[in-house]
Amino acid sequence: GDSVTQMEGPVTLSEEAFLTINCTYTATGYPSLFWYVQYPGEGLQLLLKATKADDKGSNKGFEATYRKETTSFHLEKGSVQVSDSAVYFCALRFYGNNRLAFGKGNQVVVIP
Amino acid sequence: NAGVTQTPKFQVLKTGQSMTLQCAQDMNHEYMSWYRQDPGMGLRLIHYSVGAGITDQGEVPNGYNVSRSTTEDFPLRLLSAAPSQTSVYFCASRSGGQGGSDTQYFGPGTRLTVL
Repeated sequence: GDSVTQMEGPVTLSEEAFLTINCTYTATGYPSLFWYVQYPGEGLQLLLKATKADDKGSNKGFEATYRKETTSFHLEKGSVQVSDSAVYFCALRFYGNNRLAFGKGNQVVVIP
Repeated sequence: NAGVTQTPKFQVLKTGQSMTLQCAQDMNHEYMSWYRQDPGMGLRLIHYSVGAGITDQGEVPNGYNVSRSTTEDFPLRLLSAAPSQTSVYFCASRSGGQGGSDTQYFGPGTRLTVL
């Protein structure tokens, strides 16, 4: 079935460092792809999305490009801040399908 | 606009007890859903509804019941709580029903512990 795989383990980095979180998916068609962010003690918020191949989603300095050839949607930010410390989830959904399939999430800790 | 609200924020139950987790949204969204979040598992869909009077099962529906009598409310019922239901529960909503908006709005969550 459709699934999302995120890189294992938490990510710890220093302020102003470059952040990459890998996300790959398995699907029989062309789903919409999302990154959600969960700040401590809160629910999930949509960070960015892309609905077709080669689309780039961007928000708050984060970017991700829908790569059909590698079935990937990696999240990047050029210079992280302490306030970016959160859990990041990659997800997919097909149009007309009610299920939003999530990856396991990655804890990001940014150290001053 | 309060968005998606959930009550209670925290709850401790004993095995076999029943309870209802409340969820309400004030955005007139057709689609509502319940997820549970467990360490290392991401979020898994429990039940969802595409409109008042219509509900369906997600990935992990066993042990949970739902109903949707109004557009605004989507309560989740645990009839006989088990320790395996210890988790954080999130309610979410979006507009457009079956094929509608991609943007889901999440509530702040309910942290449930079953002893």
